[in-house]
Amino acid sequence: KAGVTQTPRYLIKTRGQQVTLSCSPISGHRSVSWYQQTPGQGLQFLFEYFSETQRNKGNFPGRFSGRQFSNSRSEMNVSTLELGDSALYLCASSQILFPNTGELFFGEGSRLTVL
Amino acid sequence: EDQVTQSPEALRLQEGESSSLNCSYTVSGLRGLFWYRQDPGKGPEFLFTLYSAGEEKEKERLKATLTKKESFLHITAPKPEDSATYLCAVQKNSGAGSYQLTFGKGTKLSVIP
Repeated sequence: KAGVTQTPRYLIKTRGQQVTLSCSPISGHRSVSWYQQTPGQGLQFLFEYFSETQRNKGNFPGRFSGRQFSNSRSEMNVSTLELGDSALYLCASSQILFPNTGELFFGEGSRLTVL
Repeated sequence: EDQVTQSPEALRLQEGESSSLNCSYTVSGLRGLFWYRQDPGKGPEFLFTLYSAGEEKEKERLKATLTKKESFLHITAPKPEDSATYLCAVQKNSGAGSYQLTFGKGTKLSVIP
């Protein structure tokens, strides 16, 4: 069974540019979440999608946005990049189970460097 | 505001030297507490879910326990392959099926042969 696939794995941008990151969840998983990981703040929740609807959003500025497609694939976009946006962006997918096991399956991440 | 604090930040053990990692949390309405393992350059890998105080889960050399305010990850006779960053996360009751987790900053474990 293929895992969560994130593309691109590495990218370098300059301040003011925008970036789009892609995530393909595990087949059959309909929930996709995005997290930002930095050495100083650790893993921070960005947003979660289920059936093309954003269910939750973390405490990030409006420059961070995302969407989910009908095949559960997801993209996130960061506009007007700032130096502080340099981070590892992790996508995680999950089945919807009861009781909720909280088991998220993470991809290997997209490493964004903003110069 | 939900908070998760892990200690120590880093831990260096000799192979076979057992120890514990701590995760203290404050959250209104805990749905579950989770432990993940993260290797360098990889995404976190799920280890355990604990739902209520007194619950324990085991997997190989790892054992996770939960109280009302903290969780411990006990590592018995660790091996070098147990070296990784261990992350603790909490999920609160915020809507059916919501998968939003609040993570601690992790404990980086190094096991020396």
